[in-house]
Amino acid sequence: EPEVTQTPSHQVTQMGQEVILRCVPISNHLYFYWYRQILGQKVEFLVSFYNNEISEKSEIFDDQFSVERPDGSNFTLKIRSTKLEDSAMYFCASSVDSYYNEQFFGPGTRLTVL
Amino acid sequence: DQQVKQNSPSLSVQEGRISILNCDYTNSMFDYFLWYKKYPAEGPTFLISISSIKDKNEDGRFTVFLNKSAKHLSLHIVPSQPGDSAVYFCAAVANQAGTALIFGKGTTLSVSS
Repeated sequence: EPEVTQTPSHQVTQMGQEVILRCVPISNHLYFYWYRQILGQKVEFLVSFYNNEISEKSEIFDDQFSVERPDGSNFTLKIRSTKLEDSAMYFCASSVDSYYNEQFFGPGTRLTVL
Repeated sequence: DQQVKQNSPSLSVQEGRISILNCDYTNSMFDYFLWYKKYPAEGPTFLISISSIKDKNEDGRFTVFLNKSAKHLSLHIVPSQPGDSAVYFCAAVANQAGTALIFGKGTTLSVSS
């Protein structure tokens, strides 16, 4: 059964460093998403991506964040200068389409900012 | 601002019985609702969904009911099994506004044998 994969499973970084989180969405899916879950809190939407551009983003997704689909399979989330409050689980998701869509999630990357 | 609320943080049920997980929402623009299950150290796994034009959707042991006038939905699991023990998230999307899923805080279901 096809699944979304994410690497690394755990990333530890120093405050102010750049991190790149990687995702491989399900191959026939066209819409890609990043969510995060801070420990003990809700899963929160960050950004959606379609046709090589951002289609929607939340208030959390500020100038420190960027997304890219550098090739036909990977989808990345970059945080330019990490802050302590960026520590969270980051989930990538993908869906076939955008309307009445089931989004399928990857296992997540735990980001720890020290 | 909690647009999707799961007011019960936890629920304990005996194996074989029915589990009923509840979810309330405030945004009348939501037109599609989903339930996800999550085990520790894993991502949310899609379970079942329902469009706002329906009031019930069934898939095996899982049934979702939607009451639009009350802005309430529920997930029924019958019969409950120990493997169903997980955190269950209700999520909603307003398709006219975008693609972002808005999640509730989750309900931890424990099914004892």
